[in-house]
Amino acid sequence: DAGVIQSPRHEVTEMGQEVTLRCKPISGHDYLFWYRQTMMRGLELLIYFNNNVPIDDSGMPEDRFSAKMPNASFSTLKIQPSEPRDSAVYFCASSEWQSQNTGELFFGEGSRLTVL
Amino acid sequence: LAKTTQPISMDSYEGQEVNITCSHNNIATNDYITWYQQFPSQGPRFIIQGYKTKVTNEVASLFIPADRKSSTLSLPRVSLSDTAVYYCLVGDRLGNTPLVFGKGTRLSVIA
Repeated sequence: DAGVIQSPRHEVTEMGQEVTLRCKPISGHDYLFWYRQTMMRGLELLIYFNNNVPIDDSGMPEDRFSAKMPNASFSTLKIQPSEPRDSAVYFCASSEWQSQNTGELFFGEGSRLTVL
Repeated sequence: LAKTTQPISMDSYEGQEVNITCSHNNIATNDYITWYQQFPSQGPRFIIQGYKTKVTNEVASLFIPADRKSSTLSLPRVSLSDTAVYYCLVGDRLGNTPLVFGKGTRLSVIA
C-alpha cells in the first residue's frame, strides 16, 4: 500500500484565495483525520470522519474551514477565504480502529500551506 | 480527555539510553498509552503502545507503573537519526476518543 497520500505537498497563495487540500487514506481504513501543525500550537486535531461521516469538527477554527469526505478513498479540506494565520502544515491521517489492534494513526507527508 | 505532560526538550549524546517520561494523572480505565515519533518535514509515526507493565519492540521499550499515572519511553543507545519530536498520547483505542497530540518532547542527539 502506498500509505496516506496528500496533495499538494506545498502551496503558496495570497490572502483571500481559496485553498483545497486533498487526501487519499489507506484502503480499508474507516477513520480519517485532519490535523494542523504550527510552531506555536503544535499538532491540532481539526476534524475526523468515521465511514465518511464527520464525527467531530470542534477543532475546525472557523467557518472559513470546511472538510468533506465524499467516499472512502478521498477527502478534502477547504479554506475560503484564506488568511496569513492559516499558514501551517496540514496532515491527513487514517486508521482502522478495532479492539484487536492498536488504533495506530498513519500520517501522510503533509501539505505545507503559506498564505501571503 | 486525559491530559499528558512531558518535557519540552531533551539532549543526549550518541550511544546513550534516553528515557522520556510522560505524566497522565487522569488516565481512564480503558485508555492506552501510545507514543509517536516525528522527524522534520514528516508526519508522526507510531512507535509503541501499552496498557500496563512493560512493552518492548525493536525500536523502544515502554514502562508503565501499576498506577498508570505516568509512563516512560526508553530508547536504547540513541543515534543521530533518533533526533525527533516524541509525543505521548492517551486514549481509548476502541475509537471512542480521538487521539490528541500535545507539544511533545524534542530530543536532540549530539555526536
